[in-house]
Amino acid sequence: KQEVTQIPAALSVPEGENLVLNCSFTDSAIYNLQWFRQDPGKGLTSLLLIQSSQREQTSGRLNASLDKSSGRSTLYIAASQPGDSATYLCAVSHTGNQFYFGTGTSLTVIP
Amino acid sequence: DGGITQSPKYLFRKEGQNVTLSCEQNLNHDAMYWYRQDPGQGLRLIYYSQIVNDFQKGDIAEGYSVSREKKESFPLTVTSAQKNPTAFYLCASSIWTSGKLFFGSGTQLSVL
Repeated sequence: KQEVTQIPAALSVPEGENLVLNCSFTDSAIYNLQWFRQDPGKGLTSLLLIQSSQREQTSGRLNASLDKSSGRSTLYIAASQPGDSATYLCAVSHTGNQFYFGTGTSLTVIP
Repeated sequence: DGGITQSPKYLFRKEGQNVTLSCEQNLNHDAMYWYRQDPGQGLRLIYYSQIVNDFQKGDIAEGYSVSREKKESFPLTVTSAQKNPTAFYLCASSIWTSGKLFFGSGTQLSVL
């Protein structure tokens, strides 16, 4: 069974720093990988989706990369802001309709 | 605006009571899902539905029931058989096999 791991569980950085969040998965035969943001008591908001044939996706200050062979994805956040404080989750999909989630990284950006 | 609406935002259950969580989507998505989220744990799949009048059990279906009578609606009932129902419940939808999930804002269920 697919296992998705996100390390660290929590991260604090000063405002303005660039940072990287990690996601690893055990079965490399994925369909795609999706990064989400979750604010406390809220639902998940999709940030980026990377298809299995792609190496990276970018949206504004966010860049997600995918290395299927090593079972890893990273989410790079440039010039972090206090508003980026949230929990970030990754999810991998097999066949496009079965999803496995990591437990998330809780990010705090200190003003 | 298209999206997924979950209600209520907060729900309290008395012992022995069944409660129903609502999930409605206007994205015209085929597939709908219910997940349970507990602190410090990943999302766990309760039920999913690919088409109207059909649904499948997920990893933790015991103590829960669903129906899918309309494409737009996928209500979840937490029955009295679910002994530890306190959790944050998330409804999601997708175009079947697209691999992209969209989520509602969640319902926090607590036991009185």
